[in-house]
Amino acid sequence: GAVVSQHPSWVICKSGTSVKIECRSLDFQATTMFWYRQFPKQSLMLMATSNEGSKATYEQGVEKDKFLINHASLTLSTLTVTSAHPEDSSFYICSARRLENEQFFGPGTRLTVL
Amino acid sequence: GQNIDQPTEMTATEGAIVQINCTYQTSGFNGLFWYQQHAGEAPTFLSYNVLDGLEEKGRFSSFLSRSKGYSYLLLKELQMKDSASYLCAGMDSNYQLIWGAGTKLIIKP
Repeated sequence: GAVVSQHPSWVICKSGTSVKIECRSLDFQATTMFWYRQFPKQSLMLMATSNEGSKATYEQGVEKDKFLINHASLTLSTLTVTSAHPEDSSFYICSARRLENEQFFGPGTRLTVL
Repeated sequence: GQNIDQPTEMTATEGAIVQINCTYQTSGFNGLFWYQQHAGEAPTFLSYNVLDGLEEKGRFSSFLSRSKGYSYLLLKELQMKDSASYLCAGMDSNYQLIWGAGTKLIIKP
């Protein structure tokens, strides 16, 4: 149990377009999901905390108008990168919290913006 | 502030034992996690310690000392597939994970 999926696993897009990434908890309900970004050879950087039915909490330095997060249900959170630029190219990873000390990661989405 | 420190890189020999240390400072404490991350993949859970002592799980063991703000991950009988980054993460009072930068472990034959 405790499987988290992400879709798509990779995406290539042109600069200026928007990209939506989905994160789903497949066999449990997650009131809280987290979105991370990881640049090559660096650690995970928390972007935002997504709570079902409420607005996401963004970390300092993360533009909420650029990275739109929607946690529409207990099993689905989406991250939309709006007007993507090459510097947004990164590995985006979501995780879902089942219990307070249990956090399960999705497989990640590699975004390349040309 | 909150901070997690771990070595950047370590090298070990196949079949040997390696210990990866981690020191942490968090606002409140709700446990210490170790994750393994292979290049290009998401992290996978290895261990969780919230009480002092050693937790053994097959070839991997994790130790915690809350009074010292210290943990280590012990890997025995190293295999080439253990070459990966190992991330230490502390959970603060808000149940948020505070991540270390990761230790890249290189296994040599």
